[in-house]
Amino acid sequence: GAGVSQSPSNKVTEKGKDVELRCDPISGHTALYWYRQSLGQGLEFLIYFQGNSAPDKSGLPSDRFSAERTGGSVSTLTIQRTQQEDSAVYLCASSTTTGRLNYGYTFGSGTRLTVV
Amino acid sequence: RKEVEQDPGPFNVPEGATVAFNCTYSNSASQSFFWYRQDCRKEPKLLMSVYSSGNEDGRFTAQLNRASQYISLLIRDSKLSDSATYLCVVNRGTGRRALTFGSGTRLQVQP
Repeated sequence: GAGVSQSPSNKVTEKGKDVELRCDPISGHTALYWYRQSLGQGLEFLIYFQGNSAPDKSGLPSDRFSAERTGGSVSTLTIQRTQQEDSAVYLCASSTTTGRLNYGYTFGSGTRLTVV
Repeated sequence: RKEVEQDPGPFNVPEGATVAFNCTYSNSASQSFFWYRQDCRKEPKLLMSVYSSGNEDGRFTAQLNRASQYISLLIRDSKLSDSATYLCVVNRGTGRRALTFGSGTRLQVQP
């Protein structure tokens, strides 16, 4: 597609359940990022994938969070045993990177996760 | 200290006004700088990159001061449609290409 696609757009889950969030980046973009944004807050970096390199997982808040990117394209963010503090909008972005510079991101419209 | 700091605002300005936002960053190794715009309950969208020499895009001018580690955004002739939150963004340092976002400065342009 022309943009970054995320699904589902909204997810309500019970505390303790696992959830999977999906991101389909722009075709040809080698870099993929996950962020989350809590209500009224800034964006919090979670994880970054670049081509076949090992992902930068330094932003994952706990071991309940994991992500994978299959075939260098689609990515799935998994949250196990969800907690109420996991409620946020989860944003995926992709970009083309050249050398040491980013050319800015294109974000998907996000998945709004509510843990009840 | 936060990696990227912005005045949260809100900045309330009349249509046609000129408004400026500043942002400071803590990591002197940062190499990429951007301003993003985020409308309420929407995803952030790239407004402009910020270059060392400064750059202009229509009514918007961005400046970078590496020595003082701050970035500015100037909006001239404000429009109602400029009302949004403006996010200052820098990369996370040498070898770390993920971007760090400031919490944003809210702008409200009033008729």
